Amino acid sequence: DADVTQTPRNRITKTGKRIMLECSQTKGHDRMYWYRQDPGLGLRLIYYSFDVKDINKGEISDGYSVSRQAQAKFSLSLESAIPNQTALYFCATSGRVGAGPSTDTQYFGPGTRLTVL
Amino acid sequence: DQQVKQNSPSLSVQEGRISILNCDYTNSMFDYFLWYKKYPAEGPTFLISISSIKDKNEDGRFTVFLNKSAKHLSLHIVPSQPGDSAVYFCAASANYGGSQGNLIFGKGTKLSVKP
Repeated sequence: DADVTQTPRNRITKTGKRIMLECSQTKGHDRMYWYRQDPGLGLRLIYYSFDVKDINKGEISDGYSVSRQAQAKFSLSLESAIPNQTALYFCATSGRVGAGPSTDTQYFGPGTRLTVL
Repeated sequence: DQQVKQNSPSLSVQEGRISILNCDYTNSMFDYFLWYKKYPAEGPTFLISISSIKDKNEDGRFTVFLNKSAKHLSLHIVPSQPGDSAVYFCAASANYGGSQGNLIFGKGTKLSVKP
């Protein structure tokens, strides 16, 4: 089973609709991240969370919100989707496992391809 | 202002030869560097990393070299195999302040290894 899972894998929606992307992890990491990838632009950070009570904006947070429901779950919402939010969205995790040392190496989910018409 | 730059969008190499992917950075506070590989329709997968206290790290066919004075790192793949064909992302992090542990990614280099 995959350590980082994302649902849905593909989604087509219309402008103005609310949509939620979900991420779950079984790695036991404390940190979780949401990125989007656009052609030619690499990976850009939307939001990140270092623990359940800690949520931080990334480089491109406008138009997005997040919820850290538990250590293992981190969801990304588009309150009113617009066409320029069409992109690949990736969730990632990193950090401590239990009492172990922290690590900056991030582990990614398989991605969600979102199309906003 | 790009802090991590991969100036070659694509690279084509013959099977069995060496692939060299390059990455430059501007932030002198970066102290940890990573390479990720990404196949189509999959998430990026961690490949190899290097701390700023080292200048070389090797893992099988993959070696990362770090030149701090030039703010440059490179990934060498020897020998290259067709299965190495993917997009490679360089990333860097700096353990300071509130952004501790966040990664800054380059735009990627698409490697094609031809049989």
